[in-house]
Amino acid sequence: DGGITQSPKYLFRKEGQNVTLSCEQNLNHDAMYWYRQDPGQGLRLIYYSQIVNDFQKGDIAEGYSVSREKKESFPLTVTSAQKNPTAFYLCASRPGLKSRAYEQYFGPGTRLTVT
Amino acid sequence: AQKVTQAQTEISVVEKEDVTLDCVYETRDTTYYLFWYKQPPSGELVFLIRRNSFDEQNEISGRYSWNFQKSTSSFNFTITASQVVDSAVYFCALSEFRSGANSKLTFGKGITLSVRP
Repeated sequence: DGGITQSPKYLFRKEGQNVTLSCEQNLNHDAMYWYRQDPGQGLRLIYYSQIVNDFQKGDIAEGYSVSREKKESFPLTVTSAQKNPTAFYLCASRPGLKSRAYEQYFGPGTRLTVT
Repeated sequence: AQKVTQAQTEISVVEKEDVTLDCVYETRDTTYYLFWYKQPPSGELVFLIRRNSFDEQNEISGRYSWNFQKSTSSFNFTITASQVVDSAVYFCALSEFRSGANSKLTFGKGITLSVRP
């Protein structure tokens, strides 16, 4: 079945360690996105990518990094510079750049806890 | 700057009651898209509907209906005869009318709906 996969579902790390969250899609979508969700908050955009080897900062990019080496994959690294990394992270994708389908489709999310 | 306001934070109803979730938006764009997403306890956001600013027709899909009023910048969502399975967090979102990934979604803070048996 086509969809977006995020792994793992739950992730625990010690403070000061970098951690990479996986996002894979087999929907043949061009655009991919990373969001952060905190309790009682909406989703905030971290990074997005329109095409392979290209990505842009979203609203809260500080302390995060991404890569887009393959169309299917858009991993997010939470670095030690991110002051409050504990959150629920959601990956999303969207059909082709010329598509009129503006809705984004989301993966199941990764809940990261840093202690 | 775009903004989406969901003033209700939590709503609790008894099964079979009707419930309306409010969404008010702000944008300088004359053309835009509005969305509703459902986030069940599993965490994944599920796309429910997209509405463009050209079309103010209300839409009904089973027990769900949406009322888009450009004059009041509102896009409200009604669940008729609610069921326990409707318990979730519901997000309203707004997108600029631009091609490519630059058409970013702006989300409201969400409304937690609890439907009691």
